[in-house]
Amino acid sequence: EPEVTQTPSHQVTQMGQEVILRCVPISNHLYFYWYRQILGQKVEFLVSFYNNEISEKSEIFDDQFSVERPDGSNFTLKIRSTKLEDSAMYFCASSLRPQGTEAFFGQGTRLTVV
Amino acid sequence: AQKITQTQPGMFVQEKEAVTLDCTYDTSDPSYGLFWYKQPSSGEMIFLIYQGSYDQQNATEGRYSLNFQKARKSANLVISASQLGDSAMYFCAMRSLTSGSARQLTFGSGTQLTVLP
Repeated sequence: EPEVTQTPSHQVTQMGQEVILRCVPISNHLYFYWYRQILGQKVEFLVSFYNNEISEKSEIFDDQFSVERPDGSNFTLKIRSTKLEDSAMYFCASSLRPQGTEAFFGQGTRLTVV
Repeated sequence: AQKITQTQPGMFVQEKEAVTLDCTYDTSDPSYGLFWYKQPSSGEMIFLIYQGSYDQQNATEGRYSLNFQKARKSANLVISASQLGDSAMYFCAMRSLTSGSARQLTFGSGTQLTVLP
């Protein structure tokens, strides 16, 4: 069964460092998303991406964040200068249609900023 | 703006019994979809079931069913014949289906379900 794949599963980084979280969406999907979940809290939307550009972004997605689809398969989230409060689980998701009946999530990357 | 409310931070159920997890929502969109996800302790988000606002019948998917009451703006998840492996956090979420609207999911705060042997 096709699935969304995220790497790494865990990342520990020092405050101020740049991190890149990687995702391989389901191959025929066209819409891609990043969400984050701070420990013990609800899942929050960060950004959606379609046709090589950002469709929507939340207020969390400030200038420290960027997304890219560098090739036909990968979808990355970059945090330029990590802060302690960026520690969270980051989920990538993809869907075939913008308002599809399913949105498949990856297994998440747990980012710890120390 | 959309809002999802899950009022049960934690629920317990005996193995093999049914359990209902509550979800209410608020939206001004005429067309929307409702989702339930399961998050086990390992952290991944597993899609369980979907209900469209214009669907005439309640969605079912194996042991999962969605009790959709549009007038009450509720979309409760019913798990029948609970199993120990059902112990997890459960999130209700919604997405607008209105053309031109934002496409992201809005999540509730979750319900931690524990199935007792």
